[in-house]
Amino acid sequence: DAGVIQSPRHEVTEMGQEVTLRCKPISGHNSLFWYRQTMMRGLELLIYFNNNVPIDDSGMPEDRFSAKMPNASFSTLKIQPSEPRDSAVYFCASSFTGGRTEAFFGQGTRLTVV
Amino acid sequence: GIQVEQSPPDLILQEGANSTLRCNFSDSVNNLQWFHQNPWGQLINLFYIPSGTKQNGRLSATTVATERYSLLYISSSQTTDSGVYFCAVENSGGSNYKLTFGKGTLLTVNP
Repeated sequence: DAGVIQSPRHEVTEMGQEVTLRCKPISGHNSLFWYRQTMMRGLELLIYFNNNVPIDDSGMPEDRFSAKMPNASFSTLKIQPSEPRDSAVYFCASSFTGGRTEAFFGQGTRLTVV
Repeated sequence: GIQVEQSPPDLILQEGANSTLRCNFSDSVNNLQWFHQNPWGQLINLFYIPSGTKQNGRLSATTVATERYSLLYISSSQTTDSGVYFCAVENSGGSNYKLTFGKGTLLTVNP
């Protein structure tokens, strides 16, 4: 398996623009997570999907952030409008919640909002 | 929520030295993972170890769940071991699906 695949790897955008981050989880995994990493806050969970359904979005910072999982092999995280304080590395991770719940992370998207 | 504390925060070694990294957690866990974040930012899975001891080459890990800690041992360190080592846990109660990360240990291995 190719692992968790994220795109793009890097994104530079201007304040106010819409940003869409994409994730393909590992085939067969039924849980998907979006995390954000910053120097100040470390790695924090934004949203968790199980079987394509959002279970916990309490980590989403505000209404400017939204996430979807239309099917088992694809998820998006959208920021609209983007702000400089959204600059961070965004990770997608997937796991199988049916025993061994080991999570695997994608390579991350480094977002810079100028 | 569950608290995860890692020590030391920073560690500098000469190539060939051994080291022990510690992870303390405040509640019972279903899952504990060790990750290495390399200088390119990738999070590499090292161990899935909610309890017991595992070894993989020069690395080994031990989790004593009843005492709420885990240790990561690195032997004969190499420059490629440099990076940040994270411990992450999944609480066995409440919201028991998400990983809560410690702040990490920054390891620098000098040639």
